[in-house]
Amino acid sequence: DGGITQSPKYLFRKEGQNVTLSCEQNLNHDAMYWYRQDPGQGLRLIYYSQIVNDFQKGDIAEGYSVSREKKESFPLTVTSAQKNPTAFYLCASSIGGPPKQPQHFGDGTRLSIL
Amino acid sequence: QKEVEQNSGPLSVPEGAIASLNCTYSDRGSQSFFWYRQYSGKSPELIMFIYSNGDKEDGRFTAQLNKASQYVSLLIRDSQPSDSATYLCAAAEYNTDKLIFGTGTRLQVFP
Repeated sequence: DGGITQSPKYLFRKEGQNVTLSCEQNLNHDAMYWYRQDPGQGLRLIYYSQIVNDFQKGDIAEGYSVSREKKESFPLTVTSAQKNPTAFYLCASSIGGPPKQPQHFGDGTRLSIL
Repeated sequence: QKEVEQNSGPLSVPEGAIASLNCTYSDRGSQSFFWYRQYSGKSPELIMFIYSNGDKEDGRFTAQLNKASQYVSLLIRDSQPSDSATYLCAAAEYNTDKLIFGTGTRLQVFP
């Protein structure tokens, strides 16, 4: 089945530690996105990538890093510089536009601080 | 700062009624609009998208777009308790590959 796979489902980070969240898609979508969602809030864009080997900062990129070495993979690293990392992290993908096509989401990763 | 605004709710409707969810957006250049449903603890799932002024129907759902008023709505006919969720409205930012999300409206359908 085609879809977006995020792993792990739950992740715990120790103080000063970097952690990496995985996102893989087999939809052959060009664009991929990372969002952060805090309780009772909307989605905030961290990074996005429209093609392999290229990505752009979103609205809250500080403390995060990404890579896009393969079309199907867009991992997100939460670095120790991100002081408040506890949130629900969502990866999404879409085919190219115009018009702008819908984004489809993975099941998410919940990150907490130990 | 471009924004999408939604009433946080909760919007409570009885089973079988029509639920009307509304959204306004600030980016006049936005051309594409999306409605997502998000159950508690789950990721958003796409319900509908709309590009043109007017109505677009899909089963029990109707999306309505009025670009002059910068207003998007989602109607859910014959509401069911299983429709109880948070509904997120999103607008495509003009000339970028980004979506701007509202904070969502929580819908409660009671039996």
